[in-house]
Amino acid sequence: GAVVSQHPSRVICKSGTSVKIECRSLDFQATTMFWYRQFPKQSLMLMATSNEGSKATYEQGVEKDKFLINHASLTLSTLTVTSAHPEDSSFYICSASVGLDSYQETQYFGPGTRLLVL
Amino acid sequence: DQQVKQNSPSLSVQEGRISILNCDYTNSMFDYFLWYKKYPAEGPTFLISISSIKDKNEDGRFTVFLNKSAKHLSLHIVPSQPGDSAVYFCAATVPGTASKLTFGTGTRLQVTL
Repeated sequence: GAVVSQHPSRVICKSGTSVKIECRSLDFQATTMFWYRQFPKQSLMLMATSNEGSKATYEQGVEKDKFLINHASLTLSTLTVTSAHPEDSSFYICSASVGLDSYQETQYFGPGTRLLVL
Repeated sequence: DQQVKQNSPSLSVQEGRISILNCDYTNSMFDYFLWYKKYPAEGPTFLISISSIKDKNEDGRFTVFLNKSAKHLSLHIVPSQPGDSAVYFCAATVPGTASKLTFGTGTRLQVTL
């Protein structure tokens, strides 16, 4: 089946530093990737949708200058949390699909990255 | 504003019995509903879905029921197996946003021997 990987699986950083999270589709080409965030005891919340080679579309309330998304190839999308603060500590998870018009069940999720900002 | 709610954070069921996981939603525009299963350290995987034009969809041991008037859906697993122990998320989409999923908070199912 389709596999999506994320790296790192967990990261601890100091406040004010930037952290990059990678999301890779290992055995398929993903034209669209999604980034979600999950705070403790809350649901997965969509942050942004990115299509290969174009700018990401951010959900309302998500700062695009703080959460930089790059989708440079059909198998790799990166999320950079710039100038991270403790309130950015969360579980970040990506998913990938073969096209925006795909049926929802073909959205494949990565294992997630737990970010802790001290 | 939590538009998709799973009010039971956890559920324990004996092996062989039926597991019933519930989900409520508030947005009447939702027209497609999905259930995902998540094991620790892994991403959610798709389990089963249902369109708003149906009230039931069955796939092997898994059945999803939709009650539109009550804005309620449920996932039935029968018989439950230890390998079903995981966190289950329900999710929903509105027309025209094919891949924008709104998730519930999840229910942790523990199937005991």
